[in-house]
Parts: sequence; C-alpha cells; structure tokens
Amino acid sequence: GESVGLHLPTLSVQEGDNSIINCAYSNSASDYFIWYKQESGKGPQFIIDIRSNMDKRQGQRVTVLLNKTVKHLSLQIAATQPGDSAVYFCAEKTNSGYSTLTFGKGTMLLVSP
Amino acid sequence: DTEVTQTPKHLVMGMTNKKSLKCEQHMGHRAMYWYKQKAKKPPELMFVYSYEKLSINESVPSRFSPECPNSSLLNLHLHALQPEDSALYLCASSQGSGGGVRVEQFFGPGTRLTVL
Repeated sequence: GESVGLHLPTLSVQEGDNSIINCAYSNSASDYFIWYKQESGKGPQFIIDIRSNMDKRQGQRVTVLLNKTVKHLSLQIAATQPGDSAVYFCAEKTNSGYSTLTFGKGTMLLVSP
Repeated sequence: DTEVTQTPKHLVMGMTNKKSLKCEQHMGHRAMYWYKQKAKKPPELMFVYSYEKLSINESVPSRFSPECPNSSLLNLHLHALQPEDSALYLCASSQGSGGGVRVEQFFGPGTRLTVL
C-alpha cells in the first residue's frame, strides 16, 4: 500500500505486481517532464520523458501518463522487480529559456520478493 | 560515453577549509548544472552553465563558487562552509539549454560532503 511519511511517501509492493507512482506538478506552462530513479548512494537516473503535447509514452516496462487538465503525472512500472526499489522523482521543465528542472518531492518504492 | 563523473565521492571538511568538487562529461553537452540534495529530499538547483558561461545562480551563498574551465569540466569551489551545507552535491549535464534540443539531464553519482 501507499503511505505518506514525515518526509517521503512510500509505496510498498510485491514482486511481480504493477506499480503506479503519482506526481502533481505545479506549473501549467511546463512543457516537458521526466521521471528519474535514484538508488541509494547514486545520482538520479533517467527513466522516461514526455512532452506536454502527448498524454502517454511507453518504454520498456514503464509507461508515463500526463493529464494536463489536473496537472498530474504518473509512472507505471509493469511486473515490478526488487531492482526497481529506489526513490522516484518526477521533474518538470518550467523555464522556457533554459532547461532547468524542478523536482517533485519523490516517492520511495519498496519491492519485496 | 554517456557518463558524468564526479570526484571525490566523499569529502569531509572543516569550516575553515577550502576544497573543490569536480565534474566531467564527454558527451559534448553544452549545459552543466550543480544541484544540492539533502537526505530524503529532491535535488535543488544551484547553478547552470550554458556554453561555459554562468547563466543561472539560484541565490546560492558566495561560499560556493562555481567554475567552468571548458565545455567538459565543471568545478565547485567551497570555502568557509557551514555544517548545514552537508549534503550530496550532484552534477548534471544536458545537450543544450532549451530551444528544441534534448533537455534531459544526465546526473553524476554525486559527492557526499560533510562539514564539521
């Protein structure tokens, strides 16, 4: 299930389940979004991106959905594996002049065997 | 080579020390970034370099001084830091800085900084 801790929301799933991680973004003018995965002791790793002129994009085992009406982004991970355990951040590109990213708070995904 | 490297991996320094963090990429990217990340928090942007020129400083205290010697290298010079500056410092690069080029940022592994 999903719980919101003091600092970092956590989603706990069983291996093989599908996971859905949600993100609410702040700026209706944002035109580009990225999902990053950050494992303990490592830098964020690019997973998948989507531009604001799309509402869905699929990668390998991952799908990103964008709902601009409610400013909501989600990351779906199919057949979640223990190696997927990490903190997941959504990021939005909010400045039209430079590619600066504003990161969401993050969700910790815990996958148990 | 799709890697951003950072040195050192770990750094412990006193409040009177001067040290530098280094970042390198060989992807031909023209934009480079410094972020600060506290535990269980998202990365926070500090500086942006575009074509070796400082384009964004997010009101970072002057005890942090960035430098971009060339298009592949980015340094962060540290002087008179405070214990609250202890954090993971991440470097990132992207192909460009907007205008239709790929904007995804590639991150290095970070330098874990502890200020005593």
